[in-house]
Amino acid sequence: GQNIDQPTEMTATEGAIVQINCTYQTSGFNGLFWYQQHAGEAPTFLSYNVLDGLEEKGRFSSFLSRSKGYSYLLLKELQMKDSASYLCAVRGPGFQKLVFGTGTRLLVSP
Amino acid sequence: DSGVTQTPKHLITATGQRVTLRCSPRSGDLSVYWYQQSLDQGLQFLIQYYNGEERAKGNILERFSAQQFPDLHSELNLSSLELGDSALYFCASSVDKGGTNEKLFFGSGTQLSVL
Repeated sequence: GQNIDQPTEMTATEGAIVQINCTYQTSGFNGLFWYQQHAGEAPTFLSYNVLDGLEEKGRFSSFLSRSKGYSYLLLKELQMKDSASYLCAVRGPGFQKLVFGTGTRLLVSP
Repeated sequence: DSGVTQTPKHLITATGQRVTLRCSPRSGDLSVYWYQQSLDQGLQFLIQYYNGEERAKGNILERFSAQQFPDLHSELNLSSLELGDSALYFCASSVDKGGTNEKLFFGSGTQLSVL
């Protein structure tokens, strides 16, 4: 099976940088995804890592260490609209379903 | 807009009733996934269909069932509803050609309230 842990909630200030951590345990690994979900809305894809290292995409970056079962999502130059839940999800062996963590609710204040 | 269509957006019903949620995947996507999201809980995987066949099953209750039709749309049937079934139900789709980097595209969800 798979187990995914993320902090429940984080707060940060507009313009700052925040790092959201995710640790996972899985019997097989075929990639880690980060999704953003605004309250009551659909999750939307942010990033994907399957090899160790950092993937950068504008203000958002995601890092993976497979040996440590660890990932983080880095958000730079925070904006008010970044207030949302950030979901870490792992693709295990076999088929394509994603197993999601409970998500980290990020509150960005002025 | 993800291209995944879910209807209805909201559903209010009583305990013991039966409802059907509908999902149309993105054009060209063969896989449909159903997830349940309750307050303070993450997205819980229920079931996946690929090109009409059940492919993977998660924590789906026996009172729940799903199917995928030849035109690839999918329906999730929830019966003998209980208060605890109140949740946001998401459908997602992917092309599912076997690539590990294939992402899931989510519909806007159906908010089910059981009173």
